[in-house]
Amino acid sequence: GEDVEQSLFLSVREGDSSVINCTYTDSSSTYLYWYKQEPGAGLQLLTYIFSNMDMKQDQRLTVLLNKKDKHLSLRIADTQTGDSAIYFCAESKGGGGNKLTFGTGTQLKVEL
Amino acid sequence: DTAVSQTPKYLVTQMGNDKSIKCEQNLGHDTMYWYKQDSKKFLKIMFSYNNKELIINETVPNRFSPKSPDKAHLNLHINSLELGDSAVYFCASSSIGTSRYEQYFGPGTRLTVT
Repeated sequence: GEDVEQSLFLSVREGDSSVINCTYTDSSSTYLYWYKQEPGAGLQLLTYIFSNMDMKQDQRLTVLLNKKDKHLSLRIADTQTGDSAIYFCAESKGGGGNKLTFGTGTQLKVEL
Repeated sequence: DTAVSQTPKYLVTQMGNDKSIKCEQNLGHDTMYWYKQDSKKFLKIMFSYNNKELIINETVPNRFSPKSPDKAHLNLHINSLELGDSAVYFCASSSIGTSRYEQYFGPGTRLTVT
């Protein structure tokens, strides 16, 4: 079955880099996503990576995928107070219904 | 130019009532979803429709009935509401037919059952 795990909390200082980690169990996962949820808001798609990629960079965001260890990470460079939110990783197999299985979410707190 | 919209944003109702939540997307996507986020922020899929056809139904009670009148709309009707139905319900859409698997989410509907 599918299981996606994340650590619950991460606290960083403004200007530092943040690294949010995610592990998943389903080796047939094809697409892996990172979503951001600010308080009282919906889910914002930040980025996604195909399982045949190791890395994807998009401005301040870097996604690393270790398919062997089923480990996904999101690095946010120069973290700002506006980055404070809950970050969810998710996986899907594409095709068919393409349902997303979400991780438990990581609450990122950025301190001055 | 809202991509995925939901109404209402907040819904407070009593146990036993029947209520509906509406969702619309203007992205031209062929697949729409309903997810439930509980009080611990855990997100789980409920339903998925592709071209108005139900393709995912994840062990959701029969009291929940999705309806897709066309590809751009997916509504969720809930009968005999229970306290445990209190949650935030998110609608999402994607374009499976074009192999674009990114899912875009609506702002959510916070349902409170008293």
